[in-house]
Amino acid sequence: QKEVEQNSGPLSVPEGAIASLNCTYSDRVSQSFFWYRQYSGKSPELIMSIYSNGDKEDGRFTAQLNKASQYVSLLIRDSQPSDSATYLCAVESEEYGNKLVFGAGTILRVKS
Amino acid sequence: DAGVTQSPTHLIKTRGQHVTLRCSPISGHKSVSWYQQVLGQGPQFIFQYYEKEERGRGNFPDRFSARQFPNYSSELNVNALLLGDSALYLCASSFGRVSEQYFGPGTRLTVT
Repeated sequence: QKEVEQNSGPLSVPEGAIASLNCTYSDRVSQSFFWYRQYSGKSPELIMSIYSNGDKEDGRFTAQLNKASQYVSLLIRDSQPSDSATYLCAVESEEYGNKLVFGAGTILRVKS
Repeated sequence: DAGVTQSPTHLIKTRGQHVTLRCSPISGHKSVSWYQQVLGQGPQFIFQYYEKEERGRGNFPDRFSARQFPNYSSELNVNALLLGDSALYLCASSFGRVSEQYFGPGTRLTVT
């Protein structure tokens, strides 16, 4: 079983819709969770971090964490064509030696 | 404020050669981590340095080495290059050993 799993997509949503990106992880003691956005040919850009169960909102982005289910998600409201990118889920824990373990990413396409 | 900087941007090397990649962290950040990203995958952890000491090593051969300098900048060295070393090499900096990581633009290495 991979440590961090994401659906590779592509996930296609119309402009203005809500995009829902999901991530599961295998390490029960994971402590920190991050979402990065990566445009083609560019480096990852940190967009959200979440450390405790529940929701965290920042503008059009909402991160949701459920440690019991080992599940973290990212919601993007009012999706824009400029949101089209690969979204990487990353998990950090002492079990991993405090390194970031990334999923393979989900490709999001927002159609205008 | 300046972000993480990396040099060079692109590099073409021949099998068997040696390469040195450089990274300068965000001002005030004391931790630098190196990642390798191949097409279609998430970044894979190589090394973490914090306060000039190695604090983590990923599953990479001994051909890979790194160091951190007193000004917190860092170098990644790869010896005896193989075709499979062709990838985007990313440097990320963070304030502490366990905190949000911010990526530089990366160095695209091509081994022929």
